[in-house]
Amino acid sequence: GENVGLHLPTLSVQEGDNSIINCAYSNSASDYFIWYKQESGKGPQFIIDIRSNMDKRQGQRVTVLLNKTVKHLSLQIAATQPGDSAVYFCAENGGGGADGLTFGKGTHLIIQP
Amino acid sequence: DAGVIQSPRHEVTEMGQEVTLRCKPISGHDYLFWYRQTMMRGLELLIYFNNNVPIDDSGMPEDRFSAKMPNASFSTLKIQPSEPRDSAVYFCASSFTTTSGRYGYTFGSGTRLTVV
Repeated sequence: GENVGLHLPTLSVQEGDNSIINCAYSNSASDYFIWYKQESGKGPQFIIDIRSNMDKRQGQRVTVLLNKTVKHLSLQIAATQPGDSAVYFCAENGGGGADGLTFGKGTHLIIQP
Repeated sequence: DAGVIQSPRHEVTEMGQEVTLRCKPISGHDYLFWYRQTMMRGLELLIYFNNNVPIDDSGMPEDRFSAKMPNASFSTLKIQPSEPRDSAVYFCASSFTTTSGRYGYTFGSGTRLTVV
């Protein structure tokens, strides 16, 4: 994928383990956050979202945590599988009328067999 | 729904040529976004539309870039003349609005542009 390379932080976990991917955002006015997964040669794929009036949201094998005090977002993936290997991006909607998403740099998750 | 559809998937062109990228958003979505992804800069928002009207084009790098949305089901991003530094993957995304906010930011598969 376009963002796999030396500039991306990499997280390597064993298959079956849980993984936690972290993201810091800068805009305190952001009110909507999304985690995306991007596999090589594909577009970003929606995983889970959360609004600023919540601090936790769960999906299938994934949980997103939002800490507005320190402007931190995390994605937890339970029981990782080989298919989870990808680059993961957090994205924020800036609030205050801003309609587009601002993306973080991404984290490359590698699942070790 | 087939999702956001972009064409072509790959485009190779010579410097100076005009390039047109196409996007069909998800039916019923009222916002359409064009993003560019490169190794150096990551994903950048170029321009977005609401109900076919351009709202913010501050991310468009130069006057060589232009975008249109003639109707709710079609948008184009044009580069004229193209330069090697325009080489990137260009994504289109769409979303919809409810009373509680915007949802469903869905991306297409992208167009990989190579300008030689």
